[in-house]
Amino acid sequence: GNSVTQMEGPVTLSEEAFLTINCTYTATGYPSLFWYVQYPGEGLQLLLKATKADDKGSNKGFEATYRKETTSFHLEKGSVQVSDSAVYFCALSDVGSEKLVFGKGTKLTVNP
Amino acid sequence: DAGVTQSPTHLIKTRGQQVTLRCSPKSGHDTVSWYQQALGQGPQFIFQYYEEEERQRGNFPDRFSGHQFPNYSSELNVNALLLGDSALYLCASSFQVPGANVLTFGAGSRLTVL
Repeated sequence: GNSVTQMEGPVTLSEEAFLTINCTYTATGYPSLFWYVQYPGEGLQLLLKATKADDKGSNKGFEATYRKETTSFHLEKGSVQVSDSAVYFCALSDVGSEKLVFGKGTKLTVNP
Repeated sequence: DAGVTQSPTHLIKTRGQQVTLRCSPKSGHDTVSWYQQALGQGPQFIFQYYEEEERQRGNFPDRFSGHQFPNYSSELNVNALLLGDSALYLCASSFQVPGANVLTFGAGSRLTVL
């Protein structure tokens, strides 16, 4: 079945540091790929998405590129802020399905 | 514009009891999905409701059941609670546009089973 493996945390960075959170997936066909963010006490929010190979999703300075050859969708940000502290989830869905398969999540803490 | 609202926010039950969780979708949305998020884990898909019918189901036992009402709101019922059912239950809503795949999540209902 489909699965998502993401870098386990927690990850602690200083403000303005570079962020990478690794995500790889196993799926048949060509799934859509997502990054969701969960702030304390809140629901998951869609951060970015990509629906086909070589697509780059971007939002709020975060970006991720759909790499079919390496089955990866790594999340990056050039300069993190304290407000980026949250749990980040990589997820996929099959074509035509809204069912999401999530990774275990990576907790990011950014210190001033 | 209210997003997805869930109730109750927190609840505590004992083993063997039954629980009902409620979800009101975002305005304009007609589809509701439920996810279970155990502590330190990613959410796992329970089922999805559209047009008052269960359309898709994950690997959860029949103790988990649901309902969708004509106003698109939804309930998740869990019978014969086990300790392992302790989790954050997330509701997500969407509008049926083919290929859209964009869900709006609520903040969740945290269930503790003692």
